[in-house]
Amino acid sequence: DAKTTQPPSMDCAEGRAANLPCNHSTISGNEYVYWYRQIHSQGPQYIIHGLKNNETNEMASLIITEDRKSSTLILPHATLRDTAVYYCIVGFREYGNKLVFGAGTILRVKS
Amino acid sequence: GAGVSQSPSNKVTEKGKDVELRCDPISGHTALYWYRQSLGQGLEFLIYFQGNSAPDKSGLPSDRFSAERTGGSVSTLTIQRTQQEDSAVYLCASSLQGYEQYFGPGTRLTVT
Repeated sequence: DAKTTQPPSMDCAEGRAANLPCNHSTISGNEYVYWYRQIHSQGPQYIIHGLKNNETNEMASLIITEDRKSSTLILPHATLRDTAVYYCIVGFREYGNKLVFGAGTILRVKS
Repeated sequence: GAGVSQSPSNKVTEKGKDVELRCDPISGHTALYWYRQSLGQGLEFLIYFQGNSAPDKSGLPSDRFSAERTGGSVSTLTIQRTQQEDSAVYLCASSLQGYEQYFGPGTRLTVT
């Protein structure tokens, strides 16, 4: 599976958009980009995934570059409850696709 | 609907004792995964079930660790002769046909 690179931490003002970058330059054609987050003392939470096109759901938007070597997770209006570790994971969408978690990005939303 | 549940939420055990951790996946989810997260460490994969069989046990750290799944639903992770290095949060996740994984709240295991 392709590896990902994320900044170790980011700060965001409450109510502003949080833009979390991820580099995955070795991604293969059939690998998806997944985003999960882990709020303190909780299990990881699935946020969104995408292959080539930009995706949006009720939680976030995912912007994938045309060459698919990087992506950005966007939380449009960050709240204090969005403070968490955000993980960008690349993998195949198939049976047994065990997730390989890196260090992620610690997002601190501040009032 | 109901999410993934795990029990107990916390378990303190003495070194050398056996422990059983339980996972109830989301109804209808055919795939079930166990991970663990040690203090200050990332999540590491332990084992994957498809139905009742475990095609991938590559993450189990030693033969003291075993897991089973019955009826394509509930799974139990058993750790025999616990050691202090087994202290961690054990997380279970389930998914439909290998799609997005939904995690439970975890079981925090402390070996004294």
